[in-house]
Amino acid sequence: RKEVEQDPGPFNVPEGATVAFNCTYSNSASQSFFWYRQDCRKEPKLLMSVYSSGNEDGRFTAQLNRASQYISLLIRDSKLSDSATYLCVVNKDNYGQNFVFGPGTRLSVLP
Amino acid sequence: GAVVSQHPSRVICKSGTSVKIECRSLDFQATTMFWYRQFPKQSLMLMATSNEGSKATYEQGVEKDKFLINHASLTLSTLTVTSAHPEDSSFYICSAQQGTGAFGSYNEQFFGPGTRLTVL
Repeated sequence: RKEVEQDPGPFNVPEGATVAFNCTYSNSASQSFFWYRQDCRKEPKLLMSVYSSGNEDGRFTAQLNRASQYISLLIRDSKLSDSATYLCVVNKDNYGQNFVFGPGTRLSVLP
Repeated sequence: GAVVSQHPSRVICKSGTSVKIECRSLDFQATTMFWYRQFPKQSLMLMATSNEGSKATYEQGVEKDKFLINHASLTLSTLTVTSAHPEDSSFYICSAQQGTGAFGSYNEQFFGPGTRLTVL
């Protein structure tokens, strides 16, 4: 089993749609979690950290379920500029030393 | 946010040559830098962790004699791909971690823009 798994995608949605991405991780000792976005042929950029209580940043909501080892990202009112690959990233400890990237889920927002 | 640069952004070389890639943290001191590789349509795979002033820690399956890492200062790490072959063609991305890596925001890794290596 891979350490971090994500919806295979791609997701093709119309502008304004709500889309949800799922991610599971295998290491129950994992301490911190992130969503990154990566545009084609570019480096990943941090979208948001994921906290146990869930957190929201504008149109983006991230949730964590430690018991199920599951992370989600919800994008509301999707924009064309949201088109990218979304990477679920799990950090095995709190010292930033062990980032494991999921395979990514590609999103295309269509006009 | 903190800025990390990489140089060169793109390199094309002949098989058998060595290629050096530089990773610099421009506005902060990076105790730890990481080197990743990404093949087409795949996710990032960590190659090695580089701590300033000490030997790099390589992930399983990554040849340390082929991928030489030097982290000579708190703002510069270099990756040298020795005797490159076509199968080494990939997108190489570095990241830098600010501070000691303790709890909180120092967990964030700031990524460089990547170097696309093509070996003919």
